[in-house]
Amino acid sequence: GNSVTQMEGPVTLSEEAFLTINCTYTATGYPSLFWYVQYPGEGLQLLLKATKADDKGSNKGFEATYRKETTSFHLEKGSVQVSDSAVYFCASNQAGTALIFGKGTTLSVSS
Amino acid sequence: GAVVSQHPSWVICKSGTSVKIECRSLDFQATTMFWYRQFPKQSLMLMATSNEGSKATYEQGVEKDKFLINHASLTLSTLTVTSAHPEDSSFYICSAREVQRTTEAFFGQGTRLTVV
Repeated sequence: GNSVTQMEGPVTLSEEAFLTINCTYTATGYPSLFWYVQYPGEGLQLLLKATKADDKGSNKGFEATYRKETTSFHLEKGSVQVSDSAVYFCASNQAGTALIFGKGTTLSVSS
Repeated sequence: GAVVSQHPSWVICKSGTSVKIECRSLDFQATTMFWYRQFPKQSLMLMATSNEGSKATYEQGVEKDKFLINHASLTLSTLTVTSAHPEDSSFYICSAREVQRTTEAFFGQGTRLTVV
């Protein structure tokens, strides 16, 4: 079946450091791919998405590129801030189906 | 646009009682709503998928008699946890999908349920 695997956390960085959170997927066909962010005690917010191969999603300085050849959708940010501290979830779905989530990666940024 | 409101945001109830959680799409029509459960520091586990006007489809291992889901309109779905027990304590999150946008879902802010 379809699944999403993302790197285990926690990830601890200093402010302005470079961030990468790896995410790979398995799916039949070509799913849409998403990154969601969850701040403490809150629901999920869509951070960015890509719906086809080679698409790049970007938002708030975060980027992720849909790589069909490596079945990956790694999240990157060039310079993290303390306010980026949260849990990040990679997810996939195909039209008409529910989102499948990775286990989440906790990011902690210190000043 | 595309706002999903979930109510209540937190609830504490006594063991044996039932709790109803509402999920509303405020500015769009949602033919499909999903209910997830999240344990502390873990991912979201899909509990069930509900389509407006029909019975919900439950994931394997989810007790449908315990977690009653109703999706009576295009803007409202409810999850009722019946005869709640402490092990039902969790964070419950709903998401809704707009009729025309089948690849994206919008999430409510979640409900923290604590059963004492």
